[in-house]
Amino acid sequence: AQSVSQHNHHVILSEAASLELGCNYSYGGTVNLFWYVQYPGQHLQLLLKYFSGDPLVKGIKGFEAEFIKSKFSFNLRKPSVQWSDTAEYFCAVNAQYNTDKLIFGTGTRLQVFP
Amino acid sequence: DTEVTQTPKHLVMGMTNKKSLKCEQHMGHRAMYWYKQKAKKPPELMFVYSYEKLSINESVPSRFSPECPNSSLLNLHLHALQPEDSALYLCASSHAPTYEQYFGPGTRLTVT
Repeated sequence: AQSVSQHNHHVILSEAASLELGCNYSYGGTVNLFWYVQYPGQHLQLLLKYFSGDPLVKGIKGFEAEFIKSKFSFNLRKPSVQWSDTAEYFCAVNAQYNTDKLIFGTGTRLQVFP
Repeated sequence: DTEVTQTPKHLVMGMTNKKSLKCEQHMGHRAMYWYKQKAKKPPELMFVYSYEKLSINESVPSRFSPECPNSSLLNLHLHALQPEDSALYLCASSHAPTYEQYFGPGTRLTVT
């Protein structure tokens, strides 16, 4: 069965610090990978996605993620965070043979202080 | 337009009430989803409709009953809920083969 793990449960940073959130998945086949963000009181928004091709993908708001197939990882990065990046971040995976079922990681709560 | 709308935003219901949650999308997506999200937890998949047919039911209790009247609408009928069913109920849609799901703002349900 597929699973997704996010080892950083709660991350606290100061503005302008660099961010890297870890995401590892467990599945032997071909996957699609996503990062979603949930700002306080708002709905889940897609930050970025990876289906195939260049393993370094760029998303909205200056975020990027790198797919490393050998490590089953899809880590999220941002060179310089802002206070407005305070949110819950979810990594998600689905298998290309069953695109209807999206498996979420447990989430990482990011707090950015001015 | 990447908007999924949900009504109502908030709902308080007693354990003997019957109510419905509604979801609508006009993106031409052919798959629609219901998720349940508890505070500080990831969304948990409940149901998937693909081309207006129920394709996945994640062993959800029968007090939750989904309905897909057409390709743009998704309902979740609620009856005899328990207090532990209080949560944020999210609707999402996607258009195969691009796979990404777009989420609505959710309905905050409180069962008293």
